[in-house]
Order: sequence, then C-alpha cells, then structure tokens
Amino acid sequence: EPEVTQTPSHQVTQMGQEVILRCVPISNHLYFYWYRQILGQKVEFLVSFYNNEISEKSEIFDDQFSVERPDGSNFTLKIRSTKLEDSAMYFCASSVRDNEQFFGPGTRLTVL
Amino acid sequence: RKEVEQDPGPFNVPEGATVAFNCTYSNSASQSFFWYRQDCRKEPKLLMSVYSSGNEDGRFTAQLNRASQYISLLIRDSKLSDSATYLCVVTYNFNKFYFGSGTKLNVKP
Repeated sequence: EPEVTQTPSHQVTQMGQEVILRCVPISNHLYFYWYRQILGQKVEFLVSFYNNEISEKSEIFDDQFSVERPDGSNFTLKIRSTKLEDSAMYFCASSVRDNEQFFGPGTRLTVL
Repeated sequence: RKEVEQDPGPFNVPEGATVAFNCTYSNSASQSFFWYRQDCRKEPKLLMSVYSSGNEDGRFTAQLNRASQYISLLIRDSKLSDSATYLCVVTYNFNKFYFGSGTKLNVKP
C-alpha cells in the first residue's frame, strides 16, 4: 500500500538554526500539506500546496516558513530561524483531490 | 470561538459497548467533513469521510447535520483496538483544514 514518508523521524536543532523537513507524498497525489502538533495539543494546519504554489496558509505560517517541491517526488518545509516554540511534531499529508488526506509518520522537531 | 469543538473525554467503555461522539463546527460554509483516529504519538489516520446522507463503514457510522452544524461518529461493538483519540476535521475553501482537539476513547476488557 502506498504511503507518505518523512525524514528525519527526529530532528534536534539549536535555536536560530535553519531546518528542512522532508516528505515524499504518495506518487499520484496532487495536493500536499504540512501540519504541526505541539505535544498534548491539537493538529494545526500550516499550509497547502497545489500546482507548484501555495493554495492556503494559516496564521502560523509566517515568513520564517517556506515550502518547496524541488523535484517530482519531494515536498519540503523549511524553517529559517527556529524558535523554542517551533518544537513540535510536523506531519506531511497528501491527497488525490482536495479531500481525504493521508498523513506521513511525522518528524519530531526539538529546538534547544 | 473555536472552529471545531469536541468533547475531550475520555470516554471509558467496556468491550462490546456502543459509543457516540459529536463534533460542532462554527462556519456554516464548511464544505467537507472527516473523522480521523490518532494513536498516541502517531500520525492521524483517515477513518471515514462524512456525507450529507450519512454513511456507514462496518461498525462505524457517521452523520452530518448541517442545520445544527455538527457531525457525529457512532462506534458499535467496541473493540480494545478502537482505543484511540478521534479527531473531527472540517474544511473551508477546500484547501484549509481544521482539526478538533480530539475525543479520547478507552475501551476496557
């Protein structure tokens, strides 16, 4: 069964450093998403991406964040200068249409 | 006001019980509705979409009430493996998805 994959599974970084989280969506999917979940809190929408551009983004997704689909398979989330409050689980998801999404296993980001 | 609200629970039920969760949403323009389940420290997994006419998948039944702006999930004959957090998801503008905080279910032997 095809699945969304994410790397790394755990990323530890120092405050102020840049991080790139990587995702490989399911191959025939056209819509891609990033979410975050702070420990013990709800899943929060960050951004959706379709046809090589951002289609929606939340208030959380400020200038420190960017997304890219550098080739036909990867979908990345970059955080330019990490803050302590960026520590969370980051989930990538993809869907065929703008509906049922399938999530990757997540990257746990720890900012020290 | 929260976009999507759920009773956090926990709901503690014995095996074989029937349990129901509700979820309310604030925006009447909401377009699509889903239930996901999330196990501890794992990713959300799609359980089912929710259609206006209601839909059933085995032991799971989902209903949508647009007039009252809520969706529901009914689980019949609960199994131990149903223990998880159930997340209500609502979309606006087709590309913006809002998750509820989840309802925790514990099914006990």
